[in-house]
Order: sequence, then C-alpha cells, then structure tokens
Amino acid sequence: DQQVKQNSPSLSVQEGRISILNCDYTNSMFDYFLWYKKYPAEGPTFLISISSIKDKNEDGRFTVFLNKSAKHLSLHIVPSQPGDSAVYFCAAIRVGVRFGTSYGKLTFGQGTILTVHP
Amino acid sequence: DAMVIQNPRYQVTQFGKPVTLSCSQTLNHNVMYWYQQKSSQAPKLLFHYYDKDFNNEADTPDNFQSRRPNTSFCFLDIRSPGLGDAAMYLCATSRGFARGDDEQYFGPGTRLTVT
Repeated sequence: DQQVKQNSPSLSVQEGRISILNCDYTNSMFDYFLWYKKYPAEGPTFLISISSIKDKNEDGRFTVFLNKSAKHLSLHIVPSQPGDSAVYFCAAIRVGVRFGTSYGKLTFGQGTILTVHP
Repeated sequence: DAMVIQNPRYQVTQFGKPVTLSCSQTLNHNVMYWYQQKSSQAPKLLFHYYDKDFNNEADTPDNFQSRRPNTSFCFLDIRSPGLGDAAMYLCATSRGFARGDDEQYFGPGTRLTVT
C-alpha cells in the first residue's frame, strides 16, 4: 500500500517557465510534507517542507501548496532553471513526542524526473 | 564538512555471497537509516537505529541485517544476496526529534549489483 504517490514519472519544461510537481497521499495522519531533490550520483537533499496546518510555504523560487481535503500537494518552481534538473521526491512524516515506530520516519513517493531545457 | 559517507559507491557480489555495505557520519546524529531504492521506485526504509536501539520494518526480509558499533558507523549486511536485491542502498541520518523540521541527511548511496 503506497501511502505517498507521484503519478508523473517525468516533467519537461523550458527555462524561465513554471515547473509544477504533484504528489498525492492517503494517510491523513501525516503531519509534515517534504520535498527532496536528488542529482545523479548524490543522495537526496532536503528542499522545502510544509506543516499539515498550513496551505502554503514559500522559499525563494520554490513554493509548496497543500490541499488537505484533496490529500494533494504540489511544488512550484518559478522561474525554472537548468540547474533544477533533478529527481524530486515527495515525502511525508508523522511527528510525535518521541521518535518511534510510527513517528519521525519518512514515507517517500517514487519521484519525478524534472528536466529544464535552456 | 559534516557529512554522510557510504563505501563502496559500487559493489558487485555473486548470488548467495554475503556482502556488507558501510555508512559513516560526522554529524553526531542519533538516528541512522538504511533505505533500499530500486529503479523508478520510492526509497524503501529497511530499518533504523535510534542510538543503539534497532528498529526493523515489518516487511524487511530476514536476509538483511544491520550493525551499529558506535555513533558514527552503521553497516548493512546482506547474508545471501539474490538477484532481486540489486538496488541502490541509501544511508541517512537525523537528530531523531520526530519533528517536521528534523531533516534527514543522505549519503550518495551504494549501487549493488548481484551476478
């Protein structure tokens, strides 16, 4: 049972345009949602996150939107740059008082390959 | 720079021949994780250590074991690798605060090939 899904395996955009990456989840117990970015031959690195009590978080060119009723989040990159070309993973986490079986661990989506053309 | 290091980056082993992958960290984080990632799939958590406490995911095969001899090092042992175990293995660390801002730091991964 995949609790976090990224249904688009790939996305291609032109430099300067907007990139929109989508993610759906099924577990309403998730408290935070995160985006990780992965370049070839490197491990994923944290990009941006959003709490489940918010609907938007912005950091420079990156904005994450959360629609709890639809169990959907999206990452917007504006303007897109060739250096943004990477695999983007959506992830979700339950937070708690103490790290444990259900808390503090990431559940990842399959990733979306973003290619930004010059 | 503080970081998560994985060795080797590429590992080739024979079917059924035990193999060990290693991970070290200079972040002094409480938690160390091992993920398995197959092509075009989500990273799948195999297990994690919170300090010396080992936590196995329910669906992790018995063929996979782990050791954490000290804070800095964590090993993934595959006792009898099968062809289906060929994958990228990612090590990660975090402070273990169980909070949304408790970022996980990943190593570059070890690509395991089973022949």
